[in-house]
Amino acid sequence: NAGVTQTPKFRVLKTGQSMTLLCAQDMNHEYMYWYRQDPGMGLRLIHYSVGEGTTAKGEVPDGYNVSRLKKQNFLLGLESAAPSQTSVYFCASSSYPGGSVRSSNTQYFGPGTRLTVL
Amino acid sequence: AQKITQTQPGMFVQEKEAVTLDCTYDTSDQSYGLFWYKQPSSGEMIFLIYQGSYDEQNATEGRYSLNFQKARKSANLVISASQLGDSAMYFCAMREVYSGGGADGLTFGKGTHLIIQP
Repeated sequence: NAGVTQTPKFRVLKTGQSMTLLCAQDMNHEYMYWYRQDPGMGLRLIHYSVGEGTTAKGEVPDGYNVSRLKKQNFLLGLESAAPSQTSVYFCASSSYPGGSVRSSNTQYFGPGTRLTVL
Repeated sequence: AQKITQTQPGMFVQEKEAVTLDCTYDTSDQSYGLFWYKQPSSGEMIFLIYQGSYDEQNATEGRYSLNFQKARKSANLVISASQLGDSAMYFCAMREVYSGGGADGLTFGKGTHLIIQP
């Protein structure tokens, strides 16, 4: 059982280049998320999706786009990379929470993608 | 104001001692959940323990327990009988049902770097 996988693991870009990060989950989860982690910081939510074909902005969405064409995949795109986007990117997934906090609805994280923009 | 505050950037603890990692949170929601994640040097995010805002008893998972004091808005992680393998970054995170806008995304603290010494 692979859980949540991310491709690639590492990438170096030049300013202005574009790229797509791929996240895949095999747990049939409805919800998927993209976070970024910067040094000395916790994770911050970039975009999320509550189901196939839906996406929405999180806390720090500028400079990123996302797509969820298939339930199991969530793509994060950088159209014109900037040095400020140098970070570690984590994808996560969870089942539908149903508005309840009585269960954890744990988010399961992928291994991360380390992106450097020069 | 920060939603999740972890006041201990780093801690050194002797092996086999108990450890308490502090976390305070700020929310106006009545329904929320609190999480602790471990991030070892390898970088993955590992879910440790969860506490829902309506849970009357403190959560426990093996050597981990969560000291939940709702009135003080604190959710400290307690690790009993620490081991060398517990050395890692530890993040406290919160899910807000209503203020989260349906995203169910997590808000993270900046983390505590725990080092267990032999």
